[in-house]
Amino acid sequence: EAQVTQNPRYLITVTGKKLTVTCSQNMNHEYMSWYRQDPGLGLRQIYYSMNVEVTDKGDVPEGYKVSRKEKRNFPLILESPSPNQTSLYFCASSLGGGGQDETQYFGPGTRLLVL
Amino acid sequence: ILNVEQSPQSLHVQEGDSTNFTCSFPSSNFYALHWYRWETAKSPEALFVMTLNGDEKKKGRISATLNTKEGYSYLYIKGSQPEDSATYLCALPTGANNLFFGTGTRLTVIP
Repeated sequence: EAQVTQNPRYLITVTGKKLTVTCSQNMNHEYMSWYRQDPGLGLRQIYYSMNVEVTDKGDVPEGYKVSRKEKRNFPLILESPSPNQTSLYFCASSLGGGGQDETQYFGPGTRLLVL
Repeated sequence: ILNVEQSPQSLHVQEGDSTNFTCSFPSSNFYALHWYRWETAKSPEALFVMTLNGDEKKKGRISATLNTKEGYSYLYIKGSQPEDSATYLCALPTGANNLFFGTGTRLTVIP
């Protein structure tokens, strides 16, 4: 089944404790992206990747890192999480560019609580 | 950052009623508009990608229209069912690599 998977789905952590949220897609998509969703706001892009070893900042990159060593994986790293990073995180992928008229396929979301 | 507005923020309808809601956007430099359906605890799921003024797209009981000259798209649901309860998101590209999402319309269908 074609899908985007994320792990973990739920995570409670404490301020400053490094964490990684994994994202994997099995559709051979070039483009992958991370979003966060907060109440009253639309999905906001954190980072995106056009291909292996090519990553760039989205609208809200502060406090996050990403890597794209393999085409299928795009982990989101929080080196020193803070309470303002408590949010619902979505990973997405698309075949080509990711914007314009290409459909993005979303993972199931990771709900993160930073105490 | 684009000015993408969705209205209403939320609505409740009775099962069997038809309903519609709006996505408004700047009409200049339009390229495409996406509609997504997001059920709680699930992944947002693509409904439509619309690119041409006057576009109409349909998927079962859900359809959408697009007016790029005046900067709006309508999403219609005919004969709403409880399983239609979800948040409906519209999004527009801000470049080659990003979609800018509205805050969504949360639909609740009451059995």
